[in-house]
Amino acid sequence: GEDVEQSLFLSVREGDSSVINCTYTDSSSTYLYWYKQEPGAGLQLLTYIFSNMDMKQDQRLTVLLNKKDKHLSLRIADTQTGDSAIYFCADLSYNTDKLIFGTGTRLQVFP
Amino acid sequence: GAVVSQHPSRVICKSGTSVKIECRSLDFQATTMFWYRQFPKQSLMLMATSNEGSKATYEQGVEKDKFLINHASLTLSTLTVTSAHPEDSSFYICSANGMVNTEAFFGQGTRLTVV
Repeated sequence: GEDVEQSLFLSVREGDSSVINCTYTDSSSTYLYWYKQEPGAGLQLLTYIFSNMDMKQDQRLTVLLNKKDKHLSLRIADTQTGDSAIYFCADLSYNTDKLIFGTGTRLQVFP
Repeated sequence: GAVVSQHPSRVICKSGTSVKIECRSLDFQATTMFWYRQFPKQSLMLMATSNEGSKATYEQGVEKDKFLINHASLTLSTLTVTSAHPEDSSFYICSANGMVNTEAFFGQGTRLTVV
């Protein structure tokens, strides 16, 4: 089946930029999503990108998509302690119409 | 790694009947489970948060009498779609958090079709 992979951990200093990476295998991807999960809470949709786009910027968030390499990244500018959470990427597959999630990347922001 | 099993993966039911979907954490105890719904070609919508031993917390706009959630043990949460209608046809996904609420693990999803 289709697969989505992420690195497990990322630690950054407050004020620096964070880059969270994601790779996927689905060749019929339509949309790719980034979700944030804070402790004890459900997923919160941060942003998404259509599969025919290369980049999308939304305030402090920049999503880059390399469709050829099936690589997606989320850049958070001026990272704050409130950004500490787990970030999931997800692929919406055209073939199955299902969301396939990565394992999540834990972002820790230290002062 | 931790596994969450969701069953059934696909179900077709007649309008007016009820359908139960199970979400099990196989190798860990899940104090909190989440139920999501995905509309066609769209992202997830959080329906409710299920806490073991207490009532589920429903998101605004989700009918709790229609979508019954039971989290009777640390390894099992169930979602029952009561008196299903065609507009309830959707893809339902559960996720489970571990004991320290650190990571979420997702079930495989259930495709519900109401005819």
